[in-house]
Amino acid sequence: AQTVTQSQPEMSVQEAETVTLSCTYDTSESNYYLFWYKQPPSRQMILVIRQEAYKQQNATENRFSVNFQKAAKSFSLKISDSQLGDTAMYFCAFMNAGGSQGNLIFGKGTKLSVKP
Amino acid sequence: GAVVSQHPSWVICKSGTSVKIECRSLDFQATTMFWYRQFPKQSLMLMATSNEGSKATYEQGVEKDKFLINHASLTLSTLTVTSAHPEDSSFYICSARRGTSGPYEQYFGPGTRLTVT
Repeated sequence: AQTVTQSQPEMSVQEAETVTLSCTYDTSESNYYLFWYKQPPSRQMILVIRQEAYKQQNATENRFSVNFQKAAKSFSLKISDSQLGDTAMYFCAFMNAGGSQGNLIFGKGTKLSVKP
Repeated sequence: GAVVSQHPSWVICKSGTSVKIECRSLDFQATTMFWYRQFPKQSLMLMATSNEGSKATYEQGVEKDKFLINHASLTLSTLTVTSAHPEDSSFYICSARRGTSGPYEQYFGPGTRLTVT
């Protein structure tokens, strides 16, 4: 069974600074997808970034980038130039590409607070 | 595109009654829909997966007779909490998957807060 571990329950960062959220996962699958989702106080889940395991290049989306280390089964999220609107819960998630249903397995989340 | 709605956003019901939550994909056809439960300050727990026109697949530990899921069309799935009790109070989130191949991206609804008194 796959597991996703986020070891930082809470983090804080000053506005405009950079912060990195950690995520590790365990799987025996070779083809899978990894995601970072953001859940602000509104509780709407928002996709931040996605990484396909077969791609060596790290995904980037504007101020958000990942450090994907497949051998180490590590998938960290870096947020540059942090903004107050980045304050939210961040969930790392795994999806087996070979699975027929496309189930997401979530980590326990990291609560990020951006301070002015 | 890829908007998912849920209705109601917040519902209060009395213990012993049933409540239905709707999940709709507004601008795409959802081959698969997922129902999650989220307790305060916790992660999302997958309850069940539903495909249009077939029975839902429930995760271990989820009572299928209590949480009835119907995926009647490619744009609508419903979750009915039967004989609700205070311990069923929670935040319920649905998501919908578009297509059957590719990155399997899920689009999430805004959630429904259920309070059972």
